[in-house]
Amino acid sequence: GESVGLHLPTLSVQEGDNSIINCAYSNSASDYFIWYKQESGKGPQFIIDIRSNMDKRQGQRVTVLLNKTVKHLSLQIAATQPGDSAVYFCAENMRDNYGQNFVFGPGTRLSVLP
Amino acid sequence: NAGVTQTPKFRVLKTGQSMTLLCAQDMNHEYMYWYRQDPGMGLRLIHYSVGEGTTAKGEVPDGYNVSRLKKQNFLLGLESAAPSQTSVYFCASRYRMGDGRSSFTDTQYFGPGTRLTVL
Repeated sequence: GESVGLHLPTLSVQEGDNSIINCAYSNSASDYFIWYKQESGKGPQFIIDIRSNMDKRQGQRVTVLLNKTVKHLSLQIAATQPGDSAVYFCAENMRDNYGQNFVFGPGTRLSVLP
Repeated sequence: NAGVTQTPKFRVLKTGQSMTLLCAQDMNHEYMYWYRQDPGMGLRLIHYSVGEGTTAKGEVPDGYNVSRLKKQNFLLGLESAAPSQTSVYFCASRYRMGDGRSSFTDTQYFGPGTRLTVL
């Protein structure tokens, strides 16, 4: 299971296999969700997003699934490649009085084995 | 477009020193954000701004101040640095919702980060 703190959850997959990265979000009123990829020494990069009126959205080699009943997001990466090795964060969009802020999960490190 | 840039990239401070981190964006975004990222943790929001001249506190604002005098710039200040402020700092920006754009995606765009060490 996932834990916060110094040690990121790590997922190791063989090159060519599919990867599934999971995320639990906190606010049932959140209506927009994003998956980010962060490579070492770089800022987070957008991968894919989904809105709360959807349960699935597909991109190139990536699919995001949203289960609002259990407040769960997953990111599926097909045919994982060495370049997919990175830390992946989910973010939920939470409204406040000013506008919209994001809350980020702790992240999962994906390690692609040759 | 350069996107979101941050200066400096690295900095080492002694306890009690002050410094300012600069974030600049050339995408005409209304919203700007400052986050810190610590080992094994996600991004935590320090302060944010929804427009020129407006700022608000995030999750971890203590020990930091911000200013948004120009739309394209968002400054993060440390008045008296402490070792607990050793971290990697990321700036981000995004469009304001409802500004007439018809786009599904409403992501934040992140800068490359500033690695700050306080001794």
